[in-house]
Amino acid sequence: QQPVQSPQAVILREGEDAVINCSSSKALYSVHWYRQKHGEAPVFLMILLKGGEQKGHEKISASFNEKKQQSSLYLTASQLSYSGTYFCGTGAEGWKKSSGDKLTFGTGTRLAVRP
Amino acid sequence: DGGITQSPKYLFRKEGQNVTLSCEQNLNHDAMYWYRQDPGQGLRLIYYSQIVNDFQKGDIAEGYSVSREKKESFPLTVTSAQKNPTAFYLCASSIVNSGSGELFFGEGSRLTVL
Repeated sequence: QQPVQSPQAVILREGEDAVINCSSSKALYSVHWYRQKHGEAPVFLMILLKGGEQKGHEKISASFNEKKQQSSLYLTASQLSYSGTYFCGTGAEGWKKSSGDKLTFGTGTRLAVRP
Repeated sequence: DGGITQSPKYLFRKEGQNVTLSCEQNLNHDAMYWYRQDPGQGLRLIYYSQIVNDFQKGDIAEGYSVSREKKESFPLTVTSAQKNPTAFYLCASSIVNSGSGELFFGEGSRLTVL
């Protein structure tokens, strides 16, 4: 079953913040975040492993709450380049980053940043 | 430059015809994947392969077939049994054993059934 992402779409002005949520009905071992710009391939942002860690990449960070089986992606001081569709991918119990095992992706959140 | 090449980029097919989408990578990655992307449904896994000569069904394998005879190649055949084949297809690969879990995606192939 696909993880559920919310909101489905969001429009921001440059400099505003946004939060994208990803929740699953199954226990999670990992959460992966990707961004896809229109007409392009999805690009890896970050991976969070079981343990409740928070990771960051410049002004984009994420948290992983394994008890709640959810993750949140935080975009601060948004830039025009942040526009695109964000996908979370989840690894089920037993997932290992060295295994090449499958990920199940959510339905995506479309983000548009306006000047 | 290393990467994943998908071809063709656009493909039209008549109902009842099989079609094969090509996916080649020169990243020396062990694992390869096929995802289907439809509006509002995100990325859904069709098949994946963690090693040559072995592959597993994903969540929506019905009507599709794959082969993995070479490490660098993972072609996907959309058969006439696939009821709604019009979609955007993405191939991806990842490193096994020493990787970070990151998927590297190709540019995709858009299939339209007329």
